[in-house]
Amino acid sequence: DIQMTQSPSSLSASVGDRVTITCRASQGISNSLAWYQQKPGKAPKLLLYAASRLESGVPSRFSGSGSGTDYTLTISSLQPEDFATYYCQQYYSTPSRYTFGQGTKLEIK
Amino acid sequence: EVQLVQSGAEVKKPGESLKISCKGSGYSFTSYWIGWVRQMPGKGLEWMGIIYPGDSDTRYSPSFQGQVTISADKSISTAYLQWSSLKASDTAMYYCARRNGSYYYYMDVWGKGTTVTVSS
Repeated sequence: DIQMTQSPSSLSASVGDRVTITCRASQGISNSLAWYQQKPGKAPKLLLYAASRLESGVPSRFSGSGSGTDYTLTISSLQPEDFATYYCQQYYSTPSRYTFGQGTKLEIK
Repeated sequence: EVQLVQSGAEVKKPGESLKISCKGSGYSFTSYWIGWVRQMPGKGLEWMGIIYPGDSDTRYSPSFQGQVTISADKSISTAYLQWSSLKASDTAMYYCARRNGSYYYYMDVWGKGTTVTVSS
């Protein structure tokens, strides 16, 4: 299986900060990566796909980049509503083996 | 509006069986794969498996193969996740999600989740 390792596991930041979350795959995944945001008690919400494509309706302060095995999610200027847990998911492998990162909890400093 | 509506919360005893559902609407249900994701209390997202309702082609994560059964009834646009004998460790939130139908295979629409509690 392709293992997805996110870092950091948790992060404290302030409104207005720029933050970056990293996701590393155990093998190359050819940009077959999505990022999701999950708030407590809610379902995950798609933010980006194909590593850098913004889902419709998602604010432009969210961006993604990367290639090969290393990918990043950047929030350019944190807003109060952005404090949540973020997950990456690879969909490069066979559908039975799509895998998520372990999550990054973004908390208010 | 594209939606996945999941069945309500369940409280069961160990050893009981259970089938939870995920009903799609607002799109061609038979043309998109539906995946299932587990989230244990306070933990991250785990991929369980996926089904193509058009022909019921089903793929299981090795971690869940033999532990659950994924099925679909295309006549009522509904996917299912079932257990024959629940364990306390099955206590979790379960989400269904639609896989995008284009070249990019991300999960674009999610249900709100079904909470399953297994306790004696």
